[in-house]
Amino acid sequence: EAAVTQSPRNKVAVTGGKVTLSCNQTNNHNNMYWYRQDTGHGLRLIHYSYGAGSTEKGDIPDGYKASRPSQENFSLILELATPSQTSVYFCASGDWWGGSYEQYFGPGTRLTVL
Amino acid sequence: GDSVTQTEGPVTVSESESLIINCTYSATSIAYPNLFWYVRYPGEGLQLLLKVITAGQKGSSRGFEATYNKETTSFHLQKASVQESDSAVYYCALGDQTNNNAPRFGAGTKLSVKP
Repeated sequence: EAAVTQSPRNKVAVTGGKVTLSCNQTNNHNNMYWYRQDTGHGLRLIHYSYGAGSTEKGDIPDGYKASRPSQENFSLILELATPSQTSVYFCASGDWWGGSYEQYFGPGTRLTVL
Repeated sequence: GDSVTQTEGPVTVSESESLIINCTYSATSIAYPNLFWYVRYPGEGLQLLLKVITAGQKGSSRGFEATYNKETTSFHLQKASVQESDSAVYYCALGDQTNNNAPRFGAGTKLSVKP
């Protein structure tokens, strides 16, 4: 069973503070992703990684950094949090299955920036 | 560009009624689109509900089905008789295997099934 976990599940931060969201996968997948999901929008890709040591910009990377120190772990970092970054964040890992590419998602982290 | 548009929610139906959630896509830069429906139950992450990788084929899971129609660029999700446990948010997604493999998601449709 594919497993992706995220911590924390809920976070309240202050404007200008630093926030780190963590993601762990036990699927041994090379690829990992960070998305945010806002009302009225689909999941939007922030950063992704092809493997340990790699990070790539997604569609909306501004204001975010990412870190992939190992195959299992992928972090999203907000150096200076702003209220516009209040959202639900999803981490995913991905691999090929049955002729197509599938992603496995974590439960999400609800971030509120005051 | 590449995008997905789906039924704007929330949608409320009564148990045992039929359901259709519309999804249309635009895949101008994707040679071989794959289409997915994901579901997010309360308090859980997204789970893959069904996928279709070949135009003209139908996917099915848990009583839901969707047909990949290349002519109408649609991938509507249907179920003949919904149950209260189907209450969730449903996302249509367009797979792009040539671009970091991260699919394009629709905005999601929140479904509430009344007992």
